[in-house]
Amino acid sequence: EPEVTQTPSHQVTQMGQEVILRCVPISNHLYFYWYRQILGQKVEFLVSFYNNEISEKSEIFDDQFSVERPDGSNFTLKIRSTKLEDSAMYFCASSESGGEGAFFGQGTRLTVV
Amino acid sequence: RKEVEQDPGPFNVPEGATVAFNCTYSNSASQSFFWYRQDCRKEPKLLMSVYSSGNEDGRFTAQLNRASQYISLLIRDSKLSDSATYLCVVNTMDSNYQLIWGAGTKLIIKP
Repeated sequence: EPEVTQTPSHQVTQMGQEVILRCVPISNHLYFYWYRQILGQKVEFLVSFYNNEISEKSEIFDDQFSVERPDGSNFTLKIRSTKLEDSAMYFCASSESGGEGAFFGQGTRLTVV
Repeated sequence: RKEVEQDPGPFNVPEGATVAFNCTYSNSASQSFFWYRQDCRKEPKLLMSVYSSGNEDGRFTAQLNRASQYISLLIRDSKLSDSATYLCVVNTMDSNYQLIWGAGTKLIIKP
């Protein structure tokens, strides 16, 4: 069964450093998303990506964040100048069309120390 | 008013019982609706989409009431493995397919 894969599963970084979270969406999917979930809290939308550009982003997704699809398979989330409050589980998701439910990767647990 | 609202629970239910969750949404323009389940420290997994006519998948039945702006999930003959948090998700077409998430309802099935 096709699945969304994310690497690494856990990333520890020092405050102020940059991190890149990687995702390989399901191959025939056209819409890609990043979400985050702070421990014990609800899932929060960060950004959606379609046709090689951001289609929507939330208030959380400020200049500290960027996304890229560097090749035909990878979809990355870059977080610059990480802060302690960026510690969370970051989920990548993809869907075949925008109106369908998205399938999630297993997540990257980011810990900023 | 929260965009998507759910009873946080927990719902403590004996194995074999039927349990129902409701979820209300505030945006009447909402077009697509989903139930996800999330196990502790795991990713959300799509359980089922919710269609206007209602839909059933084995022991699970989802229904949509557009007039009252709520969706429901019914689980029959509950199993221990059904223990999880159930997340109500609404996709608002006028915001370019952004998924709006409820905080989830925790379900605990007891033997």
